[in-house]
Amino acid sequence: DQQVKQNSPSLSVQEGRISILNCDYTNSMFDYFLWYKKYPAEGPTFLISISSIKDKNEDGRFTVFLNKSAKHLSLHIVPSQPGDSAVYFCAASGAAGNKLTFGGGTRVLVKP
Amino acid sequence: DAGVIQSPRHEVTEMGQEVTLRCKPISGHDYLFWYRQTMMRGLELLIYFNNNVPIDDSGMPEDRFSAKMPNASFSTLKIQPSEPRDSAVYFCASSPTGKGSAEQYFGPGTRLTVT
Repeated sequence: DQQVKQNSPSLSVQEGRISILNCDYTNSMFDYFLWYKKYPAEGPTFLISISSIKDKNEDGRFTVFLNKSAKHLSLHIVPSQPGDSAVYFCAASGAAGNKLTFGGGTRVLVKP
Repeated sequence: DAGVIQSPRHEVTEMGQEVTLRCKPISGHDYLFWYRQTMMRGLELLIYFNNNVPIDDSGMPEDRFSAKMPNASFSTLKIQPSEPRDSAVYFCASSPTGKGSAEQYFGPGTRLTVT
């Protein structure tokens, strides 16, 4: 029973263009959503988060959108840079400091 | 300021042997999590602690796995006896209380290979 799903295993985008990563969840008790970035041989690194009381959160080139009625969130990266090439994980939590449920990840390749 | 520290970074062992993975969380963090990443199951939570007390171990696959947190700066994950299907990358993460974002800080992971 996958409560958090990332349906696109990979994404290829040209440098300077927008990358859009999608994530769906099924558990309506989730109230915090996060995106993590992971490079090979490293642990995941926190990127950006959003509370369920908001529908958008922006941090520099990264914006996360939350559609609670559709149980869907997305991460926009604009403009994409070669250093953004990594695996991105969507995660959800029922409370701050509580356990995270991760999606399967999307591998992003930004071509120069 | 040091992040989450894990040791060893790589472990190769034979089936049936005991394996102990170690983690030092970020100082001041009240929560400690152990995750396992595999190709088949992705990143899954095994167990987590709050103030050194195990809160949820429902993700621990079987009795061969055990975790302890004897103090606020150290935790271990032990597998005894190890099996080839335990081969995975094991991550430790920590987070503070009340941050409001559920943000967790991950260590670099331990790549375990059981032959």
